[in-house]
Amino acid sequence: AQSVSQHNHHVILSEAASLELGCNYSYGGTVNLFWYVQYPGQHLQLLLKYFSGDPLVKGIKGFEAEFIKSKFSFNLRKPSVQWSDTAEYFCAVNENDYKLSFGAGTTVTVRA
Amino acid sequence: DAGVIQSPRHEVTEMGQEVTLRCKPISGHDYLFWYRQTMMRGLELLIYFNNNVPIDDSGMPEDRFSAKMPNASFSTLKIQPSEPRDSAVYFCASSTSGGATQYFGPGTRLLVL
Repeated sequence: AQSVSQHNHHVILSEAASLELGCNYSYGGTVNLFWYVQYPGQHLQLLLKYFSGDPLVKGIKGFEAEFIKSKFSFNLRKPSVQWSDTAEYFCAVNENDYKLSFGAGTTVTVRA
Repeated sequence: DAGVIQSPRHEVTEMGQEVTLRCKPISGHDYLFWYRQTMMRGLELLIYFNNNVPIDDSGMPEDRFSAKMPNASFSTLKIQPSEPRDSAVYFCASSTSGGATQYFGPGTRLLVL
């Protein structure tokens, strides 16, 4: 079964700081990769996704992620965070079917 | 499009009672997923349907849980009898057959006392 690892459980940073959230997965074949965001009290929303092509993917709200196949990684980045980026971030992977395996999530708290 | 619709948004019930959660997927989506989110276990896939047929229910915790999809626009997740450990947020998601992006509903926050 697919395993998805998110390195940080909770990240606290100040506005304008840069953010990088790590994600590693265990499957060695073809995968589709996703980052979802869950704002407090809300449902999951898609931030960005990678299916194929350019390994540097740009998403909404200034987020981007880089797929590094050799490292089985799909790290999320944002150069300058805002208070409104406070949320929980989930990395998810699927292996050519429609079952998504989610990481445990990383809570990001941005201090104003 | 209205997105994935779930009802109720909040449910408080007593142990032993039957609970029914409802989901309306995005029109035209052929896949429907039920997830449970808890602090301890994170997001877990319970079951998913393709064209109204259950494909994989290996995530359903036990026989107290059942899910149906009588038509393309409606699905239910039922817990009978409910237990306090079932307290969680239950999300429904849907996707098209041509892509793997899942779109999530707002969730039902269930509290079993």
